[in-house]
Formats: sequence, structure tokens, C-alpha cells
Amino acid sequence: SQQGEEDPQALSIQEGENATMNCSYKTSINNLQWYRQNSGRGLVHLILIRSNEREKHSGRLRVTLDTSKKSSSLLITASRAADTASYFCATDLGDQKLTFGTGTRLTIIP
Amino acid sequence: DTGVSQDPRHKITKRGQNVTFRCDPISEHNRLYWYRQTLGQGPEFLTYFQNEAQLEKSRLLSDRFSAERPKGSFSTLEIQRTEQGDSAMYLCASSLVGRGTEAFFGQGTRLTVV
Repeated sequence: SQQGEEDPQALSIQEGENATMNCSYKTSINNLQWYRQNSGRGLVHLILIRSNEREKHSGRLRVTLDTSKKSSSLLITASRAADTASYFCATDLGDQKLTFGTGTRLTIIP
Repeated sequence: DTGVSQDPRHKITKRGQNVTFRCDPISEHNRLYWYRQTLGQGPEFLTYFQNEAQLEKSRLLSDRFSAERPKGSFSTLEIQRTEQGDSAMYLCASSLVGRGTEAFFGQGTRLTVV
């Protein structure tokens, strides 16, 4: 079953704009991770945020985590055409595996 | 060793046939996972190994599915008597105990059952 749910399901923005996608989950977590998947390919790990962290940065990525609301957001700044992909949040519930959300399909318009 | 590799990348099979997929994880990684992904959905957990021991299987993994990791290195996933509902992308991932669940994924095997 899908633990997380991303919002929006699809997002189209102009190159150079910022993209924000959200993830909500249902149960307490050890950590939450974001992955990118280009069409028909495998997933690439982007960033991990632990349950005791509120914000984390990596390059043009910023992730926030609100455990009281059971939600996370991923911000991609200064978007590029190469950022076009599907983005998934994945939760680690402490059971040694990841439970993925349904994904946000991001399209960057050149 | 540049990453997780999966073979084949694509497989088309007739309903009722058996298929086997192979995954070679990153060499020093002792955990290996299998996930299944259908169109428009996120990956769903199937099973995972720590070294050669299969530690958990999802209830999604019917009796027709079996996975092995005989020497704690590569893994195989076999589907017997394939059904059209088995059509999906099968993803393998590996990780290192002590580094948590941060997973490195292969490119996947896309299975089409006709």
C-alpha cells in the first residue's frame, strides 16, 4: 500500500522558476527521502531528512519536514529542463524498507 | 563497479511462461531489495535480503514469485506461470547496513506479459 501521497500529481513550470511539491504520510517515521525518476528509468536518491530534522538543503534542493502534520515538501530552485522527471517521497518506518508515495510528475518548459 | 545493474532491461513473455530476472548490487552493499512499479504509481516493496538471508516478503509476493540471493551477492527474481497482471517494472535496489535505508536503484526490468 502507498504510505505517502504527493501533491500535486503533475506540475508544469517555466525554466528558471521554482518548483514545490508536497508529500503527506500516515504513520510515524524514522526518516523521509526524496527520489527522482526519469521516464522509464530507475530511481535516484536526492535527499534524506531524519524525523528530528526540520529542514535540509542540497544544492538547489530544499526539503522541509513537519512531523506534527505528517508532511514534507521538496523545493527545487531555479529549475532546469533536466529537472523534468517524476519525484517520489519515501518513508522509512524503521522496518528496513521504504514505502513510496504516488509521485509528482514535473515538467520544465524551456 | 558503477552501480546496481539489472538484466534483462526488457522482457516480453507469453502468459503462463516463467521468467527470471537478475540483479547485481553495488559490491559492498549487504542489503538488496526488490520493488515492483506499475504505470503511474510509486514502487511497491516485494522483498529484501540482508546478505543471503531473505528477511521479509510482502503479501504482494504470491506463491508464483520467488527470490534468491544464494551467496549474498547477486539476486534473482523468478515469476512462474506469468499473468497479465504481472506486467510492470521490476526494480532492484541495494543499500549498506549502517547507512540506513538510502537505496541505490538499478534501471529496472520492464516485463510485458502478452
